[in-house]
Amino acid sequence: QVQLQESGPGLVKPSETLSLTCTVSGGSIGSYYWSWIRQPAGKGLEWIGRIYASANTNYNPSLKSRVMMSVDTSKNQFSLRLTSVTAADTAIYYCARTLVRGVVPHFDSWGQGALVTVSS
Amino acid sequence: QSVLTQPPSVSGAPGQRVTISCTGSSSNIGTPYDVHWYQQLPGTAPKLLIYGNNNRPSGVPDRFSGSKSGTSASLAITGLQAEDEADYYCQSYDSSLSGYVFGTGTTVTVL
Repeated sequence: QVQLQESGPGLVKPSETLSLTCTVSGGSIGSYYWSWIRQPAGKGLEWIGRIYASANTNYNPSLKSRVMMSVDTSKNQFSLRLTSVTAADTAIYYCARTLVRGVVPHFDSWGQGALVTVSS
Repeated sequence: QSVLTQPPSVSGAPGQRVTISCTGSSSNIGTPYDVHWYQQLPGTAPKLLIYGNNNRPSGVPDRFSGSKSGTSASLAITGLQAEDEADYYCQSYDSSLSGYVFGTGTTVTVL
């Protein structure tokens, strides 16, 4: 069974860049899409974007100007960078495997989540 | 502000049946876009509960079922159990927003 683990700084200053890495174990990162999803405290889920093993990406249009994702197949990892962060970006960030089984992909395996707080 | 609307909360006694609605529009659920459902227990990551409108992943009890009709989808829980207390989210794709979208979320309480 595939497992995902997020890692990265838990505190980021306003206007700086948030960086997170997701390490995939129990399976290859190849041949799948991988997504980042976030959840502010007490609120709902927001899809940030997805990346394929070939580095093809799709981003949420509302965040597209600030988001960049990358993949390192040699380390079985993929990463998220979110620039110019504000307090509104404070959230738990989840990485998830994205399965394409129909018209709309779904997220079948999730990491435990990483809390990122934006504060000076 | 999500484009998929769910009731904030539903409740039921143990053993009862509850349903959670997910209301969308012609740019998401109303088109041939699948709806998926996730369960989020307190303090944990979401877990896939239903995919492709009405399919259960291995290990999900058959007490959980999904359906879709028109611009709405529903999740039903029969034989409600205390362990079902959680937040539930629907998910689909929105062609106007060009991205995956989640519902507003519903908290299920077992009385």
